[in-house]
Amino acid sequence: SAVISQKPSRDICQRGTSLTIQCQVDSQVTMMFWYRQQPGQSLTLIATANQGSEATYESGFVIDKFPISRPNLTFSTLTVSNMSPEDSSIYLCSSSGGSYNEQFFGPGTRLTVL
Amino acid sequence: EDQVTQSPEALRLQEGESSSLNCSYTVSGLRGLFWYRQDPGKGPEFLFTLYSAGEEKEKERLKATLTKKESFLHITAPKPEDSATYLCAVRGEGAQKLVFGQGTRLTINP
Repeated sequence: SAVISQKPSRDICQRGTSLTIQCQVDSQVTMMFWYRQQPGQSLTLIATANQGSEATYESGFVIDKFPISRPNLTFSTLTVSNMSPEDSSIYLCSSSGGSYNEQFFGPGTRLTVL
Repeated sequence: EDQVTQSPEALRLQEGESSSLNCSYTVSGLRGLFWYRQDPGKGPEFLFTLYSAGEEKEKERLKATLTKKESFLHITAPKPEDSATYLCAVRGEGAQKLVFGQGTRLTINP
């Protein structure tokens, strides 16, 4: 199974600023995913990031607000732009490719916007 | 649109008291039903994948089963360390993304 790390693990940010979250996988993977988990809620997919192509965003999420980079097969970043308190959430990175094509998740980044 | 509904939202059991968690789903062409465990402050941890009705998977005190409309996660003689939120997700035909349910928050009292 893939081992995924995220940086930072948590941050407190001011309204109107931006934060970039890094996701590193210990092996090469084709697909990486970014999820949001709001307090007490389940996971909602933000976008799918494939290496060498533009990210695919889910309904309700736009590139200007959540730009994503995928420079190689082991790394991706998610930026949360022009933050507001409603962006306070846990942001999770995942990759697919296990024996059952399951997704493995990173530990998450807990973001608080004041 | 693919949908997943989990019940109950929360369940509190005594140590050793067996029970089941439910995951009802609607999906266009099931390509996998996934169970995850999530501890507070951590990312989801993969438990099982089920692909077809009648399939069962077991791991320690947990057993997952699947029908055409729902999946059950049976927990036998649970221990306090089994306390966590259990998430169910599905992947539909032609999709790579997972659609998650709201989760069941399980608490096992010693």
